Amino acid sequence: DQQVKQNSPSLSVQEGRISILNCDYTNSMFDYFLWYKKYPAEGPTFLISISSIKDKNEDGRFTVFLNKSAKHLSLHIVPSQPGDSAVYFCAASGNNFNKFYFGSGTKLNVKP
Amino acid sequence: EPEVTQTPSHQVTQMGQEVILRCVPISNHLYFYWYRQILGQKVEFLVSFYNNEISEKSEIFDDQFSVERPDGSNFTLKIRSTKLEDSAMYFCASKARKGSYEQYFGPGTRLTVT
Repeated sequence: DQQVKQNSPSLSVQEGRISILNCDYTNSMFDYFLWYKKYPAEGPTFLISISSIKDKNEDGRFTVFLNKSAKHLSLHIVPSQPGDSAVYFCAASGNNFNKFYFGSGTKLNVKP
Repeated sequence: EPEVTQTPSHQVTQMGQEVILRCVPISNHLYFYWYRQILGQKVEFLVSFYNNEISEKSEIFDDQFSVERPDGSNFTLKIRSTKLEDSAMYFCASKARKGSYEQYFGPGTRLTVT
């Protein structure tokens, strides 16, 4: 059941540069896509979302892009900061929000 | 700021034993979830719960699993007869209302089955 995939297990970026985290999905019925950030020993924390009717959503340093035809979304963090170092999960849901599918996560390391 | 809490933080149990994982969701939230994450793998949906009944469950959530909201504040996950492969981090989450997609996660309970 690999409906949401994050193919890069890790990413290392220099402080101040852009971090781009990618996510692919297979189910065209997904309506909402979310990014979560997770620090060790903590639960995932909601970061930003996008609905399928949009192709971009921006919140401060974080921007999520959705390409429905390619079934691909990405999270851009600019500028990256050392405090952004965490595991980032992409998640997707249909419009009933009863069930969320998560990717396997990408561990981001922002080097000072 | 309100938060989801989970107890215990770490539970060690022997194979075949029953365990109950406890969660206190945010007080005015109406929708509740359990997820698990086996070490190094993705977060997997187990079950969603609303209005005192299961809304949806995954294929992982078999007859060995049950959920309950016994007293209007706690939300529990019971595993009747634990197996080695149940060892994982279990996360509880809650959300406020039907149209909301933002779930608030607890810190998790690490379950180790020996």
